[in-house]
Amino acid sequence: GENVEQHPSTLSVQEGDSAVIKCTYSDSASNYFPWYKQELGKRPQLIIDIRSNVGEKKDQRIAVTLNKTAKHFSLHITETQPEDSAVYFCAASRTGTASKLTFGTGTRLQVTL
Amino acid sequence: DAGVTQSPTHLIKTRGQQVTLRCSPKSGHDTVSWYQQALGQGPQFIFQYYEEEERQRGNFPDRFSGHQFPNYSSELNVNALLLGDSALYLCASSLAHLSEKLFFGSGTQLSVL
Repeated sequence: GENVEQHPSTLSVQEGDSAVIKCTYSDSASNYFPWYKQELGKRPQLIIDIRSNVGEKKDQRIAVTLNKTAKHFSLHITETQPEDSAVYFCAASRTGTASKLTFGTGTRLQVTL
Repeated sequence: DAGVTQSPTHLIKTRGQQVTLRCSPKSGHDTVSWYQQALGQGPQFIFQYYEEEERQRGNFPDRFSGHQFPNYSSELNVNALLLGDSALYLCASSLAHLSEKLFFGSGTQLSVL
């Protein structure tokens, strides 16, 4: 089955700096890669996603890049703010597998003032 | 527009007992997936229900079972509880079983003593 590895497990940045979280996946048939943000005690929320026919996608301060050859995708957050502090999860799935997402182990991002 | 709702929010059980968790999908959604999130880990896929049938299942034993009702709501049942079943159980809904965009509920925190 699919295996998703995520690094780093913790990340501390100063407000205004950029943050990068990296994930690798094992199943070459995976073609959908979402990122979820989970604040303490709250539900995971989808923040951005990308499909395998696209190499990069941006939404304001958030961007995701995908390298299908290397089976690697990354989340980039620019101009970080204290409210960006949360746990971020990457995930992967195959289209047609009925939303069976395989998640990474999470990255705890701390944005300090 | 109501989001995904789960009940109860917290539950304490003892080993060997049985538990039922409930989920109502986001308005307009017809598919429900269940995930188990252990402390400090990413969510793990348990199974998914669409048209009142289990469509996909993750690597969980038969002690985990579910049901979907005609109004699309769903239940997760766990029999013969083990200490290792202690986790946050997340319900996610989507529109159609081939849609990857999941909307999560806030979860049920299950503690097995």
